[in-house]
Amino acid sequence: KQEVTQIPAALSVPEGENLVLNCSFTDSAIYNLQWFRQDPGKGLTSLLLIQSSQREQTSGRLNASLDKSSGRSTLYIAASQPGDSATYLCAVETSGSRLTFGEGTQLTVNP
Amino acid sequence: DADVTQTPRNRITKTGKRIMLECSQTKGHDRMYWYRQDPGLGLQLIYYSFDVKDINKGEISDGYSVSRQAQAKFSLSLESAIPNQTALYFCATSAERGGGNEQFFGPGTRLTVL
Repeated sequence: KQEVTQIPAALSVPEGENLVLNCSFTDSAIYNLQWFRQDPGKGLTSLLLIQSSQREQTSGRLNASLDKSSGRSTLYIAASQPGDSATYLCAVETSGSRLTFGEGTQLTVNP
Repeated sequence: DADVTQTPRNRITKTGKRIMLECSQTKGHDRMYWYRQDPGLGLQLIYYSFDVKDINKGEISDGYSVSRQAQAKFSLSLESAIPNQTALYFCATSAERGGGNEQFFGPGTRLTVL
């Protein structure tokens, strides 16, 4: 059974700092990995999707990497801003288009 | 307008009542999903559907049923609600795109069962 772990569970940083969120998964037979952002009481917003054949994806200040063989992904956020404060979730797609989610990293960026 | 909408956004009900949560999408996607989110447990898949005639159980389908009325509509029912079904419920959609299957989520329905 696929298990997804995100470390740390919570992170607090000062504005402007670069930061890395980690995601690991136990079964490397994945189709893709997706990073989401969730604001309190709100839905999930898709940030980046990395297909299994890719190593990384970039969108603005966000860069996500994937090392499928070691079961790891990182989300790098450059020059963090208070508006980046949210919970970040990673999810891996296995057979049948099923996503398995981690529990998330709650990020707080302090002005 | 939102691409994936859910109604109601909030619902409080009593044990034993029948509840239906509705999801509609304008993205033209063929695949739709229902998840629940509990604090500290992440999101868990309840049911998913690849088209109108294809419905599949997820990890935690007991106590739930679904109906795919049309490509754009996917409803989740709790036949007899119980307190441990109190959670945040999300609908999502996706379409196969050359190996990728990016999922897009609705805003969620907060359900409280007393």
